[in-house]
Amino acid sequence: QVQLVQSGAEVKKPGASVKVSCKASGYTFTSYDISWVRQAPGQGLEWMGWISVYNGNTNYAQKFQGRVTMTTDTSTSTAYMELRSLRSDDTAVYYCARQWWDNWFDPWGQGTLVTVSS
Amino acid sequence: QTVVTQEPSFSVSPGGTVTLTCGLSSGSVSTRYYPSWYQQTPGQAPRTLIYSTNSRSSGVPDRFSGSILGNKAALTITGAQADDESDYYCVLFMGSGMVVFGGGTKLTVL
Repeated sequence: QVQLVQSGAEVKKPGASVKVSCKASGYTFTSYDISWVRQAPGQGLEWMGWISVYNGNTNYAQKFQGRVTMTTDTSTSTAYMELRSLRSDDTAVYYCARQWWDNWFDPWGQGTLVTVSS
Repeated sequence: QTVVTQEPSFSVSPGGTVTLTCGLSSGSVSTRYYPSWYQQTPGQAPRTLIYSTNSRSSGVPDRFSGSILGNKAALTITGAQADDESDYYCVLFMGSGMVVFGGGTKLTVL
């Protein structure tokens, strides 16, 4: 079946970087984009950006530009999201999701908790 | 910056019908925004309900439906059940590859 499996929880110190992975299976990886969405504790969902797996083009939400990099490795069907210069308010669950041509998301990864704490 | 608006909370009786809406701080929502809807329970990843305004995702019961009502996108739940108690998020495509989530609606069934 189609699924996205993300890497495990991370604890980072302020100023550090984190790289979350998202391994796809059950479909042709290069045929769909991948979006990243995060959710801070008790808060709503926030779109961070997407990457075209086909050609590597990216589109980041303005809030994250300069601090986020999304990449893919088509040989392993894995997408990555790296967030740099971490702050305490980056503590959140980070989700990857397959993005369809008409801009909806399905399926979603199970989420990766990133905790930023000194 | 455009904000996507949703009711912060809503309540419905079991078996009742509820319509949640998704608007814009400036302007009207139309099909060109490709509105989609997601259901999320605590500790779980979101579940896709509706895409492209009114298409149901695989396995979603037909008591969930999407539409455009006036100047907003809408999610209607008919015959509400206890396990419909969740947070509901709409998403709009803003053009130029940009996507925005609404703030979410917490639905209580009681």
